[in-house]
Amino acid sequence: QVQLVQSGAEVKKPGASVKVSCKASGYIFINYFIYWVRQAPGQGLEWMGMINPNGGSTRFAQKFQGRVTVTRDTSASTVYMELSNLRYEDTAVYYCARDGAPPGAPIYGMDVWGQGTTVTVSS
Amino acid sequence: DIVMTQSPLSLPVTPGEPASISCRSSQSLLHGNGHNYLDWFLQRPGQSPQLLIYMGSNRASGVPDRFSGSGSGTDFTLKVSRVEAEDVGVYYCMQALQTPLTFGGGTKVEIK
Repeated sequence: QVQLVQSGAEVKKPGASVKVSCKASGYIFINYFIYWVRQAPGQGLEWMGMINPNGGSTRFAQKFQGRVTVTRDTSASTVYMELSNLRYEDTAVYYCARDGAPPGAPIYGMDVWGQGTTVTVSS
Repeated sequence: DIVMTQSPLSLPVTPGEPASISCRSSQSLLHGNGHNYLDWFLQRPGQSPQLLIYMGSNRASGVPDRFSGSGSGTDFTLKVSRVEAEDVGVYYCMQALQTPLTFGGGTKVEIK
């Protein structure tokens, strides 16, 4: 079955970086975009960015530009999201999710989600 | 950026009764291909979000037919024909027409 499995919880100090992985299985990895979405404690969902695993092109929300890097390893069917210069307000659950559109079709949203990775920024 | 506005913020429901959530976008979500790029998600307590409806009115795989989505342009509605206990959680709409993708603030559905 289609599945996204994320790496475990992280605790980081302000100013540090965190790298979260998202391993895909059950489908052809390069055929579907992957998103990153975060959720601060008690808050709603916030779109951070996306990657096309076929080629590696990325797009990010303006507020994360310059601080977030998303890469992929096609041999491992894994996407990585690295957020640098962490602030207390980056404490959140970070989700990866797959877009449901088949190759060549416009993206339409997240049909499969990872289990989430809790990142805590604390001194 | 497209702003998504949901109402109500909170919705107490009685099992077996219908429920309805509204979502409005600051720009039309109608793509040139005739589809509205509006999704609905349910996030149950302690879980990852789950896709319910995509492109305005298409039920995702495995979603019960008591869930339905309607609307076009800037006004959309999610309806649950008969609420069940497992339907509690926070419902989000999201536009997928253009990046940045943006979510509504959420509607918390709880049992009366």
